[in-house]
Amino acid sequence: EVQLVESGGGLVQPGGSLSLSCAASGFTLSSYYMSWVRQSPGKGLEWVANINKDGSEKKYVDSVKGRFTVSRDNAKNSLFLQMSSLRVEDTALYYCARWSYGFDIWGQGTMVTVSS
Amino acid sequence: EIVLTQSPGTLSLSPGERATLSCRASQSVSSRYLAWYQQKPGQAPRVLIYGASSRAPGIPDRFSGSGSETDFTLTVSRLEPEDFAVYYCQQYGSSSWTFGQGTKVELK
Repeated sequence: EVQLVESGGGLVQPGGSLSLSCAASGFTLSSYYMSWVRQSPGKGLEWVANINKDGSEKKYVDSVKGRFTVSRDNAKNSLFLQMSSLRVEDTALYYCARWSYGFDIWGQGTMVTVSS
Repeated sequence: EIVLTQSPGTLSLSPGERATLSCRASQSVSSRYLAWYQQKPGQAPRVLIYGASSRAPGIPDRFSGSGSETDFTLTVSRLEPEDFAVYYCQQYGSSSWTFGQGTKVELK
């Protein structure tokens, strides 16, 4: 079965750091462009970051540039999002998603709550 | 950054009716790089349309997409009970991808 499973979410204080992981199974991760997308509670979707197939190119939404880093380990079928200097407005459900014809495979999401 | 504005915010319709959802971009979306997604409560989004008008695999033909440059439309020809959900457009034609704010299709 093709699936993505995120982990690593939790409660963190403003200014803190958190690292998210996304485990891919049922397909070859190295064949796909991958992304992180977030959704604040009760709100819409926001694209966060992209990474190309070999990890050599990365793009970010302006609001996370310099604070978030996307990476991947194709040998371990894993995608990562390292988040630092977290803000209250980063509170959201973070999805990893596979890019094919649009985001065709999504994980179930991992919740990140930034609060004091 | 390309801003996508969806309208209406909420569409109240009955099963069997036609739904027409709009997505307007603040600047031209290159190569019609626009997708549509459906999201139901507690679920991840599901891609319906990519390239403005191509249906994703497994998507029923009652869903169709059209448009170009700054004006795009998602049409559901005859609403089924399972189609009541929130719909998002997304552009991927620029280096910074963006989503619209969503249109909720609710049961009248």
